[in-house]
This record gives sequence, C-alpha cells and structure tokens, in this order.
Amino acid sequence: GAGVSQSPRYKVAKRGQDVALRCDPISGHVSLFWYQQALGQGPEFLTYFQNEAQLDKSGLPSDRFFAERPEGSVSTLKIQRTQQEDSAVYLCASSAIPSGSNTGELFFGEGSRLTVL
Amino acid sequence: AQSVSQHNHHVILSEAASLELGCNYSYGGTVNLFWYVQYPGQHLQLLLKYFSGDPLVKGIKGFEAEFIKSKFSFNLRKPSVQWSDTAEYFCAVKVRGFKTIFGAGTRLFVKA
Repeated sequence: GAGVSQSPRYKVAKRGQDVALRCDPISGHVSLFWYQQALGQGPEFLTYFQNEAQLDKSGLPSDRFFAERPEGSVSTLKIQRTQQEDSAVYLCASSAIPSGSNTGELFFGEGSRLTVL
Repeated sequence: AQSVSQHNHHVILSEAASLELGCNYSYGGTVNLFWYVQYPGQHLQLLLKYFSGDPLVKGIKGFEAEFIKSKFSFNLRKPSVQWSDTAEYFCAVKVRGFKTIFGAGTRLFVKA
C-alpha cells in the first residue's frame, strides 16, 4: 500500500486478555518503530526494528509487551495480560533508511487505539 | 535522560495572526530536530526537519523553524496562520541511538 497500515484501528479488551496489534509498513522500508501515545501526551518510544532485527527494545514498559518482525516487513506488537494502564494509542512508523547516527523521515500509521476495561 | 519540552499545550489564534511554538530539548551533543503535525482525523506527518547547515529551516505550508544551539531550542513559526492550520504539533529530537523523542504536543486552534 501507499502508507503505513495498522490494524485493528480500535480494540477493546477486558483486563487480563492478550491483544495483538499489526503494522504493515511502507514496502521496502528497513526501519520500523512502535510508539505508545497516552491521552494528552506525545508518542513514547517502545521498540525499533532494522529489517527483522530488534535493535532497541528499551521502551517496552514490561515483559508483558513483546514485538516481532520475523520477515523484515509486517510487525506485530503483542500485549499479554492487559492492564488498564495499557490503554493508549499504539503508533507504528517506518523509515526508508536505518536509524543509526542519522535518520530519515518517519512515516506513521493511523494507530491502534486500545481500551482496557 | 533526553527530553523535549513544548511550552504551550493549547494555543488559540485568529486567522492571519503570527504563530510561534516553543520547543526546548535537553541534550548537549549532535541532534536531529523535527516538527511533526497531526491534522484532525489524520496520522502524524513531517512538517520540517533539521540535520545540519543553515539553522533556519523552511517546511511545508509556510512553516519555518530556527535551531539555536546555545539555547537548545527549535521553535516553530508561521507569519500568518490559516484556519486549516488547526492541528496538533509535535517537536521531536533524534540523538545517538535509534529512538526519536517527542514532546507532549501543542494543540493549535485557529478561529476563522
């Protein structure tokens, strides 16, 4: 597709349920990022992939959060045993170049809004 | 830890007024600086960026930003705003490593 695609757009989960959020980046983009955006806040970094390698996962808030990108394209963010504080918009962004000492423009998806009841 | 501060959370202006949104960051080394914009119902998109060279950067839709290294600032400006500039604006900084760090955002409402 022409842009970054995320699904589902909206997800309501009961506390304790597992959820999986999907990101389909722009074709050919090597860099993929996940961000968490709480209400009234800016995006907070969760994790970064360069192709299939997860090079930085320092922003994942707990071991309940897990991300993968097994073939270097589509990525999935999984949250196990969801808690109310996990409610947020989860943003995926991709970039055409590796994010080392420099970075290109980040192309964002529309986000997946997770509400945990 | 690196951080990005945006001074105003909400700004209300009339059309044709001038705009300046403040952004300060805390990092003493080489930085890449960005402003992203999110129009209502749309995804975040790049407005402008600074990597090196001329500290006055021009972006889309008449926006510009000035990097002042001594003040650790990257303020966004536009001489005359339009109703269509109503959006949320995020300042972002990329330092060493992989992550881009975002400020909390400024919601701009322009009255027609």
